Amino acid sequence: QKEVEQDPGPLSVPEGAIVSLNCTYSNSAFQYFMWYRQYSRKGPELLMYTYSSGNKEDGRFTAQVDKSSKYISLFIRDSQPSDSATYLCAMSYNTGTASKLTFGTGTRLQVTL
Amino acid sequence: KAGVTQTPRYLIKTRGQQVTLSCSPISGHRSVSWYQQTPGQGLQFLFEYFSETQRNKGNFPGRFSGRQFSNSRSEMNVSTLELGDSALYLCASSLTRYNYGYTFGSGTRLTVV
Repeated sequence: QKEVEQDPGPLSVPEGAIVSLNCTYSNSAFQYFMWYRQYSRKGPELLMYTYSSGNKEDGRFTAQVDKSSKYISLFIRDSQPSDSATYLCAMSYNTGTASKLTFGTGTRLQVTL
Repeated sequence: KAGVTQTPRYLIKTRGQQVTLSCSPISGHRSVSWYQQTPGQGLQFLFEYFSETQRNKGNFPGRFSGRQFSNSRSEMNVSTLELGDSALYLCASSLTRYNYGYTFGSGTRLTVV
C-alpha cells in the first residue's frame, strides 16, 4: 500500500464549477502538506503549502488538512479551462526533509467550456 | 530570472547503457533534488544535494547516482539501464534545504529500448 493515495481521475467539470481534489495518507508523522499543479510537458509548480491541520486560502484555491482522518483536500472555486492540469498532493515529515517529498500519483482535471 | 534548466529534454538509450542528466538550478539556489516520475508510481524522490554533498537519498538501487558541483549545478547518472528506468526525471532547486519553495524544471524524458 502506498503512503499517499490519490484518485487518478480523470475528473471532468464544466467551467465555473467547484472542484474538490483529495488525498489520503497512512503515516501520521507527516506534518507539512502541499499541492502542486503540473501541466503537460512541464514540471510541477507549488500551489499551496500548509503546516499541520487547518485551512488555507489563496484566491480561488483552498487547502484543507484533517490530520485526525489523515485526509487533505484542495478546492478550486470558479474553475477555468486554464486549471486543466494534473494536481499532485505532497507531504513531508519536517523541514529537514523539505527536499524529500512524498507525492500522490496525481489527479488529472479537465475543465470544459 | 531563468528557471531550473534540465538537459537534454528527451533521450533514447538502449538497455545496458549508461546516461547522464544535467540540471542547472535557479541562480543562487543551493539545494537540488531529483525525482523520477512514472505513470504507475508517480513522483519518487531520488536524492538531494546541498553544498556538493548528498543530504538525503531515496530508495533506489546504486545504479542511480548523482553529484553537485561548486556552482550548484547537478548531474545524475544511471548505469546499466533497464527498461523500467524509462521515466521523466525531474530536478528541483531551492535557496535552502529547509523550506518548501522548491522550483521544478521541465524534466528529461528518458526512454530505454
